[in-house]
Parts: sequence; structure tokens; C-alpha cells
Amino acid sequence: LAKTTQPISMDSYEGQEVNITCSHNNIATNDYITWYQQFPSQGPRFIIQGYKTKVTNEVASLFIPADRKSSTLSLPRVSLSDTAVYYCLVGGTGRRALTFGSGTRLQVQP
Amino acid sequence: SAVISQKPSRDICQRGTSLTIQCQVDSQVTMMFWYRQQPGQSLTLIATANQGSEATYESGFVIDKFPISRPNLTFSTLTVSNMSPEDSSIYLCSVEPTRNTEAFFGQGTRLTVV
Repeated sequence: LAKTTQPISMDSYEGQEVNITCSHNNIATNDYITWYQQFPSQGPRFIIQGYKTKVTNEVASLFIPADRKSSTLSLPRVSLSDTAVYYCLVGGTGRRALTFGSGTRLQVQP
Repeated sequence: SAVISQKPSRDICQRGTSLTIQCQVDSQVTMMFWYRQQPGQSLTLIATANQGSEATYESGFVIDKFPISRPNLTFSTLTVSNMSPEDSSIYLCSVEPTRNTEAFFGQGTRLTVV
């Protein structure tokens, strides 16, 4: 599985847009890019997944450039409840274990 | 989607004892995964459990220390054997239903070994 690199931590304020970038230089042709969110004392929760270009859902947007060697998770207008660890993963889909990197610890302040 | 019930949610155990963690899924799944998350760290895969066959363990994890059962398509257990303080972690089970592209996780079991 492709290795990912993302910032260890980020700080933001309520109402701001937060962009977390993940590098995955060795991504394979059939790999998808998936982001998970983890709150303290909970298991990770799926946020968004994409293969190329842009994907948007009710929670976030995922931007993937043409070379797919990086991706950016965009959280619009964050709130205090978005304080969590965000993990970027790359790999195939369907019935396989996940390889978690170090994640990005996002702290949202009032 | 899948809803996972994991028990116990937390426990404090004496060193040298064993603890069995249960994971119940509300739908049938072929593969179940067990992860460990040490304090302040990311998740590390312990093993993959398929129904009807022995679990497949990742490097650094052995069956004698972390025996796994998978008696049917909705249930699995992970036992942490002969515990030491180094086993203090959060243990999570996870499934990825065949037709979905996302994984679902239990709430985790916070284990403290004293």
C-alpha cells in the first residue's frame, strides 16, 4: 500500500475553512484515496473517498490533482466539533484492511 | 452500512491475566479486522479474521498472544493473553462490507493493564 505523509497537527478557528494536504507519491493506478475522522474514545469514521479530480459530500470536499500524488481534504466553516484526528489512506477498495498513517490532529478554537 | 457493537468498552486488568473482547456486527461480513491503537498513536492492524479459517496475523503479532475466533459471519473475539502493561491500548474491530467502499469501526475497547 502507498505510504502517506500529512501534517502532524493543524490549528484553526471556528468558521474558517481548513485544508489538510496528504502526499502519496507512490499511489498505484487502482488505488483510491480515502479520509477518515477519529474523535477521542471512538473508532475512525469515513469522511470521503475519491479517485481523481474533485469529490464533494455534505461533510467535506476532496481535491485530487491530475497526477494523484497528493490530495487535499477541505472542511468548510469548521466548528469546535470538528476537532479530531484526520487520516488519509490510499489503497484498493473492498474487503481489505486499512493502513493508517500518523494522521493530522486538527484543533479548532473558538 | 454496518453497526458494530464491541464489548467491553473498557477494562482494567491485572498483569498475567487474559481479556476477551467481543465484536458483533449487525450484518454478515466475510472479513473482520482487529486493530490496536496505543495511546496517542495511529491504528495498527493486528490480524484479519475470516469465517471458517484461521486468522491471518501481521508482523509482530502472534496467535498465542492474540488468539482470535470467528465462529460465524457476524461475530468475532480477540483475546489478549498473559497481559503486561505494554498491552495497554485501545483495541478496535472493523468490517468493510463487500458492496461498500468504506470501513466501519467499533467504539473500541480501552484496556489498561496494571
